Amino acid sequence: GESVGLHLPTLSVQEGDNSIINCAYSNSASDYFIWYKQESGKGPQFIIDIRSNMDKRQGQRVTVLLNKTVKHLSLQIAATQPGDSAVYFCAERRASSGSARQLTFGSGTQLTVLP
Amino acid sequence: GAVVSQHPSRVICKSGTSVKIECRSLDFQATTMFWYRQFPKKSLMLMATSNEGSKATYEQGVEKDKFLINHASLTLSTLTVTSAHPEDSSFYICSARGGILAGESYNEQFFGPGTRLTVL
Repeated sequence: GESVGLHLPTLSVQEGDNSIINCAYSNSASDYFIWYKQESGKGPQFIIDIRSNMDKRQGQRVTVLLNKTVKHLSLQIAATQPGDSAVYFCAERRASSGSARQLTFGSGTQLTVLP
Repeated sequence: GAVVSQHPSRVICKSGTSVKIECRSLDFQATTMFWYRQFPKKSLMLMATSNEGSKATYEQGVEKDKFLINHASLTLSTLTVTSAHPEDSSFYICSARGGILAGESYNEQFFGPGTRLTVL
């Protein structure tokens, strides 16, 4: 079935290095993508989003890249800090999902920042 | 951004009892609210979608008589887990979307902090 999936379940990086978290999606009808950060015991926190008519969007220390040709989404975190340690989820919103247009979440990647 | 709150943050109950979880949008009117369930080290699974004043739409496999959802106002939705059993223990997260914030219409989806339910 259609799904949003992540390539790696865990990722460890040294503090100060850049992190890249990847996500693959299979529904070409998806028109909106979001990255969320979830710390232990908390709800998801919005990081950055991108619409399907874009291929790159930058925020503060974060960049999202969208490659529609291969249905791939990535989150780049510059100068990773200990506070970035969390689970990161990509989510897609499908244009064909009706009026509700609910999000479908990927499986998540645990990012661990090493001192 | 908009703020969504949940109450309680943690609840422990005995098997067979019912538990109500509240979800409130604090500074905006949410036309649509979503309820998710999350198991440890797993992703969020959508349980149901509710629009203010109408019945919730449940995802396949989610028992509507087990998980009662009420969206009585534009700022409050409740999830009641009826006759709870240990397998209902999970992290329940609500999300709210839509409406007017600071005079601007928007379509972003904001998440609550979650409620940890433990059924003994």
